[in-house]
Amino acid sequence: DSGVTQTPKHLITATGQRVTLRCSPRSGDLSVYWYQQSLDQGLQFLIQYYNGEERAKGNILERFSAQQFPDLHSELNLSSLELGDSALYFCASSVVGISGNTIYFGEGSWLTVV
Amino acid sequence: GQQLNQSPQSMFIQEGEDVSMNCTSSSIFNTWLWYKQEPGEGPVLLIALYKAGELTSNGRLTAQFGITRKDSFLNISASIPSDVGIYFCAGQTGNQFYFGTGTSLTVIP
Repeated sequence: DSGVTQTPKHLITATGQRVTLRCSPRSGDLSVYWYQQSLDQGLQFLIQYYNGEERAKGNILERFSAQQFPDLHSELNLSSLELGDSALYFCASSVVGISGNTIYFGEGSWLTVV
Repeated sequence: GQQLNQSPQSMFIQEGEDVSMNCTSSSIFNTWLWYKQEPGEGPVLLIALYKAGELTSNGRLTAQFGITRKDSFLNISASIPSDVGIYFCAGQTGNQFYFGTGTSLTVIP
């Protein structure tokens, strides 16, 4: 158990709909990252938040948005869903330890758009 | 975003054999991380490396942070069927993590 919690684990929705994926980072981690992984693909970085503020943006579509709340949990909002948005969405949180940075992943939210 | 060059892309080996995979980058990283991912699951951290030249083991797994800080390798000794999965490397610089494309490992009993 990495300590990063994601809900829901599975989600099936229709094209055009909107969904929200939720993430609770490891206790004490201020950074939250969102990644998309399509079938047989690598991890595509979407967006990063640090202590409530957007820190970095990757290949995130305009139809997608995210935020990090004061309690440090984060939500990824996906709207106007298309078939191609079907993927595993991972949240990760990072800790800066004495030695360096490490990133821990949640178990993912599997989104199927039909 | 930046991708690391990870090789090989896939490996099919007999149980008991040793495995070696590596990641290279044109950029210098401060941290190298190795993960294993099983189907439908999140990547699980195997080994973290924080210093150039560092060699770290975790059971049958050994990883090294390259001296140039641009590469890292992961070795698995005496492979077993449960080693099956996709192995990812990740390099960290600043507040960003960059991931390799993964090595798919199949172990034949």
